[in-house]
Amino acid sequence: AQSVTQLGSHVSVSEGALVLLRCNYSSSVPPYLFWYVQYPNQGLQLLLKYTSAATLVKGINGFEAEFKKSETSFHLTKPSAHMSDAAEYFCAVSGSDYKLSFGAGTTVTVRA
Amino acid sequence: GAVVSQHPSRVICKSGTSVKIECRSLDFQATTMFWYRQFPKQSLMLMATSNEGSKATYEQGVEKDKFLINHASLTLSTLTVTSAHPEDSSFYICSARDGSGSSYEQYFGPGTRLTVT
Repeated sequence: AQSVTQLGSHVSVSEGALVLLRCNYSSSVPPYLFWYVQYPNQGLQLLLKYTSAATLVKGINGFEAEFKKSETSFHLTKPSAHMSDAAEYFCAVSGSDYKLSFGAGTTVTVRA
Repeated sequence: GAVVSQHPSRVICKSGTSVKIECRSLDFQATTMFWYRQFPKQSLMLMATSNEGSKATYEQGVEKDKFLINHASLTLSTLTVTSAHPEDSSFYICSARDGSGSSYEQYFGPGTRLTVT
C-alpha cells in the first residue's frame, strides 16, 4: 500500500520568501507522486507530477519538486512566494490501481 | 487540457431526500472515475472507484446502498446520495482518468457542496 505524510499542517511565509512544503512517501513499488493545490471551495489543480523520469520536476506557477528515493521524499518548493500562493496543498501518491492516497494537506499563508 | 465538470456546484436538500451529482469529462474518455469526500479543513477521502460499464468499487466503510454510483458512459458518472442526513453534508469531488493511455494522472472536477438540512 502507498501513503504520504505531509510534515507541517500550516506554513506561513513572507511575500518573496522561499516556500518549502514537505512530503514523504511510503510505497512498495516505484511511486507516482503528485502535488495539488486547492483554493477555497474549489477542486484540485495539478501543480506537478513525478512519473519516474527526471528527479527534479518543474510545475506551474513557479513550483518545483525533487524526488529523492534515498530519503523517500518529494518536497515542493517555490523560490519567491506570491500572495496568490495562499491555498491548501496536497501531496499524493498513486498505486498500480490508479488510486490516489492524499496527505493531510498543508495550508500556506503569505504575509505581505 | 483535460476538463472535468460537476453539476450542481451547490445543493441544499432536506433530510430524507436523495440528491444526484453528475461528473462529466468534457474532452476525453474517462474509463475510470473516482469519487472523493472532503470535510472542512481535511484531506480528500476516496469513496469509490467507478469503471465504465461495471459496478463501482467502494472503499472500506463507505455504504454502497447510501452512495449509489453509476458510470453509464465514458464521459459521465453520477453519485446519488440516498436518504440524505445532515451528517452527509460535505464537499464531494470527482476525478477522472483518461483511458487512452497509461497515465496515472487524475483530472479533478470543481466539487459539489452538499448541505442537508
